[in-house]
Amino acid sequence: EPEVTQTPSHQVTQMGQEVILRCVPISNHLYFYWYRQILGQKVEFLVSFYNNEISEKSEIFDDQFSVERPDGSNFTLKIRSTKLEDSAMYFCASEDWSSYNEQFFGPGTRLTVL
Amino acid sequence: DAKTTQPPSMDCAEGRAANLPCNHSTISGNEYVYWYRQIHSQGPQYIIHGLKNNETNEMASLIITEDRKSSTLILPHATLRDTAVYYCIVTGGYQKVTFGTGTKLQVIP
Repeated sequence: EPEVTQTPSHQVTQMGQEVILRCVPISNHLYFYWYRQILGQKVEFLVSFYNNEISEKSEIFDDQFSVERPDGSNFTLKIRSTKLEDSAMYFCASEDWSSYNEQFFGPGTRLTVL
Repeated sequence: DAKTTQPPSMDCAEGRAANLPCNHSTISGNEYVYWYRQIHSQGPQYIIHGLKNNETNEMASLIITEDRKSSTLILPHATLRDTAVYYCIVTGGYQKVTFGTGTKLQVIP
């Protein structure tokens, strides 16, 4: 069964450093999402991406964040200058045009900012 | 998106049916009811969705009341692996999923 994959599974970085979280969505899916979950809190929407552009973003997704689909298969989330409060699990999700909000989530990347 | 209300936690004996309720009294006509679950910090997993008819798949059944103001997710034979947080979400398609706090289901041996 096809699945969304994410790398790395765990990323440790120093405050102020740039990180790139990578996701490989399910092939032929058209809608892509990033969510995050701070330990013990709810899963929060960050950004949605369709047709090579951002379709919606949350207040969390400020100028420090960016997304890219560089090669038609990968979907990346970049945090330019990490802060302590960026420590969280980051989940990527993808959705097919025909599945009507059946989003497939990846296993997540645990980001730890020291 | 319409707001949903779920009990914070429930227990269910292994092998028995787990019935998870959800209230969504402000649902609008074009919004669907979706259920996802999250097993201990794993990525959320889609379970089922419906508009107004009852739905069943290999994982669960979804019962939606005639006025669509509430629904029940049924896991017919709960196993220990079904222990998770279950989220009831009301939204249209191709949109972000807004997760609440969900119902923490504990399946007891």
